[in-house]
Amino acid sequence: ETGVTQTPRHLVMGMTNKKSLKCEQHLGHNAMYWYKQSAKKPLELMFVYNFKEQTENNSVPSRFSPECPNSSHLFLHLHTLQPEDSALYLCASEDSTSSYNEQFFGPGTRLTVL
Amino acid sequence: SQQGEEDPQALSIQEGENATMNCSYKTSINNLQWYRQNSGRGLVHLILIRSNEREKHSGRLRVTLDTSKKSSSLLITASRAADTASYFCATDGGDYKLSFGAGTTVTVRA
Repeated sequence: ETGVTQTPRHLVMGMTNKKSLKCEQHLGHNAMYWYKQSAKKPLELMFVYNFKEQTENNSVPSRFSPECPNSSHLFLHLHTLQPEDSALYLCASEDSTSSYNEQFFGPGTRLTVL
Repeated sequence: SQQGEEDPQALSIQEGENATMNCSYKTSINNLQWYRQNSGRGLVHLILIRSNEREKHSGRLRVTLDTSKKSSSLLITASRAADTASYFCATDGGDYKLSFGAGTTVTVRA
């Protein structure tokens, strides 16, 4: 266990559904990240939050909406997704006050969009 | 944007053999990190090497960094079946973001 949990672990949704992914970290970190991992591709950074403020939106479509109510929780709200959005969504956290940004990852949510 | 690129894409070795994979990157870095991912799981941090370091060891892992060639290598010695996983390099350019490559898939045969 890395101290970062994600729920649900698997999610199947239709293109018209609305769902949310949840990430929680128990490490006392202040930065949290959402990544998308598609088969045979590098991890794509989606969003970065530092001390609850969004510091990065990597040109992510508006059908993905992040929310960070506090430094321990991060959500990714999904709406009107496309089949190409099917992927493993990984959450990570980090102590951004540290000299080196080692990230701790959750197990991921496997998302399938029908 | 993608920074690190791993080579080879896939590697199959016999248990007990060594596995070597390489990472090349394009721009200057503060540090370079290696992560492991077991099938369908999250990434686990293995080792970090700073830009002013040339070699680092951690257990059966040996990492080298050549900043003049913008490349790094990860060596796993005396491989075990449990080492079967994908391995990713990630570069830290100093902006609190990591850039990952597409990974090397390592299969260790019993």
